[in-house]
Amino acid sequence: EDQVTQSPEALRLQEGESSSLNCSYTVSGLRGLFWYRQDPGKGPEFLFTLYSAGEEKEKERLKATLTKKESFLHITAPKPEDSATYLCAVPGGTSSGSARQLTFGSGTQLTVLP
Amino acid sequence: GAVVSQHPSRVICKSGTSVKIECRSLDFQATTMFWYRQFPKKSLMLMATSNEGSKATYEQGVEKDKFLINHASLTLSTLTVTSAHPEDSSFYICSARDTNANQPQHFGDGTRLSIL
Repeated sequence: EDQVTQSPEALRLQEGESSSLNCSYTVSGLRGLFWYRQDPGKGPEFLFTLYSAGEEKEKERLKATLTKKESFLHITAPKPEDSATYLCAVPGGTSSGSARQLTFGSGTQLTVLP
Repeated sequence: GAVVSQHPSRVICKSGTSVKIECRSLDFQATTMFWYRQFPKKSLMLMATSNEGSKATYEQGVEKDKFLINHASLTLSTLTVTSAHPEDSSFYICSARDTNANQPQHFGDGTRLSIL
């Protein structure tokens, strides 16, 4: 069974204070790792897909990196509007066995204080 | 803009009512859509995989007679919560992926269901 573990559960930063979120995974044959952002009362919004170890993707203040066992979401000089829950997910299911469904981590709730 | 539309965004109804939630892919075709449930401060839990033109595949522990799924076209899947009770109150989210492109799953904005 695929497993995805995110840490920390919650993170409070001052505006401008850079940090990293972690996503550890255990899958049989990685077919990509996805990062999403979720605002309260909304569905997840797609951020990045990473496919192979060493790959990096950037979008504004966010940079996602991937190794063979984990992914990091680095946030540089965050702003209050970056406050959200960040979710990582891998394709591949549990009981149903579908390779197209996503298994999500529990998320990191990021709060950036002004 | 949104590529997956989910409606309604919020429903409040009495116990015993059946509630239908729609999920539409706006500018792509999706042979498969997914339905998730999310509890407060928890992650998304997959309920079922909706397959166009065939029966949905339900995750272990999800009652298929309680959560009816219909995927009648390549752009629409519906989830009906039948005879809803307070314990069915939750945030329900659908997702879809463009069948014909190497694209990630996109999610609707969710439906907040409150059963009184």
